[in-house]
Amino acid sequence: GQNIDQPTEMTATEGAIVQINCTYQTSGFNGLFWYQQHAGEAPTFLSYNVLDGLEEKGRFSSFLSRSKGYSYLLLKELQMKDSASYLCAARTAGNKLTFGGGTRVLVKP
Amino acid sequence: KAGVTQTPRYLIKTRGQQVTLSCSPISGHRSVSWYQQTPGQGLQFLFEYFSETQRNKGNFPGRFSGRQFSNSRSEMNVSTLELGDSALYLCASETGTGGSMGYTFGSGTRLTVV
Repeated sequence: GQNIDQPTEMTATEGAIVQINCTYQTSGFNGLFWYQQHAGEAPTFLSYNVLDGLEEKGRFSSFLSRSKGYSYLLLKELQMKDSASYLCAARTAGNKLTFGGGTRVLVKP
Repeated sequence: KAGVTQTPRYLIKTRGQQVTLSCSPISGHRSVSWYQQTPGQGLQFLFEYFSETQRNKGNFPGRFSGRQFSNSRSEMNVSTLELGDSALYLCASETGTGGSMGYTFGSGTRLTVV
């Protein structure tokens, strides 16, 4: 079966760094996505990893280890607007996305 | 370019009724996927359509069905509605080739079954 695990909730202070971990067990793995979702809004694409290593995009970075079935999303210089849910999703055969339950990040002043 | 458009935004239906939701993908995108999002279960895959054919299906009962038209617009139908079908239904558009830009989601249709 497919299984994606990520923490339910994390709290951090404005200006700090937060790392959201995601572990996955899937068949036919074909890439790992991270999405951001503000309450009441659609998920928006943040990053995609298909090869091992770190991808950096401004304040956001994402890492993938295929052998460990592990990814993380790193949010640097946290801002209040970063308070949202962060969704880890694995793409498997047939262009299907399997999502984790999401990590709600609360940024405090 | 225009994003993914879902209509309607909100729906209230009664148990036993049926409902049809619509999704217009980004121009040029041939893949449309549907997801159900609930507080308890998170985002769950319903099905994916590509070039008018269902290419992939999740673990939902047969009451959930869909179709895709030649212009790539897609509809999702739920028959014999149950209270547990209350959820946010999201569609996601993608080129269909599995690229690195991933899926663009619409704003969703919030369905409430009473």
